[in-house]
Amino acid sequence: QSVLTQPPSASGTPGQRVTISCSGSSSNIGSNTVNWYQQLPGTAPKLLIYSNNQRPSGVPDRFSGSKSGTSASLAISGLQSEDEADYYCAAWDDSLNVVVFGGGTKLTVL
Amino acid sequence: EVQLVQSGAEVKKPGESLKISCKGSGYSFTSYWIGWVRQMPGKGLEWMGIIYPGDSDTRYSPSFQGQVTISADKSISTAYLQWSSLKASDTAMYYCARRFPDMDYWGQGTLVTVSS
Repeated sequence: QSVLTQPPSASGTPGQRVTISCSGSSSNIGSNTVNWYQQLPGTAPKLLIYSNNQRPSGVPDRFSGSKSGTSASLAISGLQSEDEADYYCAAWDDSLNVVVFGGGTKLTVL
Repeated sequence: EVQLVQSGAEVKKPGESLKISCKGSGYSFTSYWIGWVRQMPGKGLEWMGIIYPGDSDTRYSPSFQGQVTISADKSISTAYLQWSSLKASDTAMYYCARRFPDMDYWGQGTLVTVSS
């Protein structure tokens, strides 16, 4: 049972826009920034979004993040086949004193 | 170019000790936190702890405190994760990553298999 709650799966067709939600509490998302990671099959995770909505250099602007209260979301527009991956949200938790992750969302491009 | 290169896969027996490594290059190793993340087979990511190589300040997740030791040798820009007595449940992929709390560069992972 992960501290941050994500849907286990999501899907879309090429060109569509999909969103992945991440729900937490006042001790994590409610008081700290949210980061998103993309893990392609068989590879290490990659930072996709940091500080709620910032993209590292090289990440396409098709990826965007937002946060409101104790929830966050990742949006992917213009979905491409290479976006098929697992996506994880993460945030520092002030009560647990750890970085907590969501359980991950497996994105399928139909 | 920032790189984190981890040591190779390991196969160990229960009760054995192990130390895996993560060598940083392309940046000032002493200026960034290095964290360790576990991913058990078919499961999600779990944060284990971090170390600041500049002064060896180390923090552990309560779930991993006492189970592993995180260290660093700044003279060779390398961080370590070690076990004194492995268990079958330690079988997992272990990643090191730079920066905290947002981990911007990751190692390729070290697969640790513990089996009798």
